[in-house]
Amino acid sequence: NAGVTQTPKFQVLKTGQSMTLQCAQDMNHEYMSWYRQDPGMGLRLIHYSVGAGITDQGEVPNGYNVSRSTTEDFPLRLLSAAPSQTSVYFCASSRQTGSYEQYFGPGTRLTVT
Amino acid sequence: AQSVSQHNHHVILSEAASLELGCNYSYGGTVNLFWYVQYPGQHLQLLLKYFSGDPLVKGIKGFEAEFIKSKFSFNLRKPSVQWSDTAEYFCAVTHNAGNMLTFGGGTRLMVKP
Repeated sequence: NAGVTQTPKFQVLKTGQSMTLQCAQDMNHEYMSWYRQDPGMGLRLIHYSVGAGITDQGEVPNGYNVSRSTTEDFPLRLLSAAPSQTSVYFCASSRQTGSYEQYFGPGTRLTVT
Repeated sequence: AQSVSQHNHHVILSEAASLELGCNYSYGGTVNLFWYVQYPGQHLQLLLKYFSGDPLVKGIKGFEAEFIKSKFSFNLRKPSVQWSDTAEYFCAVTHNAGNMLTFGGGTRLMVKP
């Protein structure tokens, strides 16, 4: 199993550009989520999904969109990038019930200039 | 507001010293508690977790944590640290049988050889 994969690993955007961060998992997990990591603030939840076709907002959803058309994939879209979105982004997945242990992807480091 | 607090932002220890990292949360009700570790340049890995039962939880690499419900705390301990323990450590909580993780701000540990 590859676990949770994310692409790209690094990305530089100009203000106003759009892009999609990809996340995929091969563990048949129902729950998937996106976090951003900023120094001194830990990880903050952006959006999450409890299954295909179901998404909801987390703590810091503004400026980001998500969709969940399949169990495996959970892309994060930045429609108009801003410097405040410079961060490291982590995708995670877990089973919806049971141990709730979340498995994290390797992260995407995004810089917006 | 509900939150997770990690009191030490930076800790520097010499090898073989003992480690205790503090974590407090402000949630009422049922909580699940986690400690994650992030080695330099890597993604988050689960160190240990508490769901129920014995409040003293043992994890990987010699780490343990104690859940003290009356103090809303889940402190991480290791009797003797190694240089390879240099990393950032995150306490996280889910509550009311949900999957949404709330993270503390993290503690950067540096172990000097």
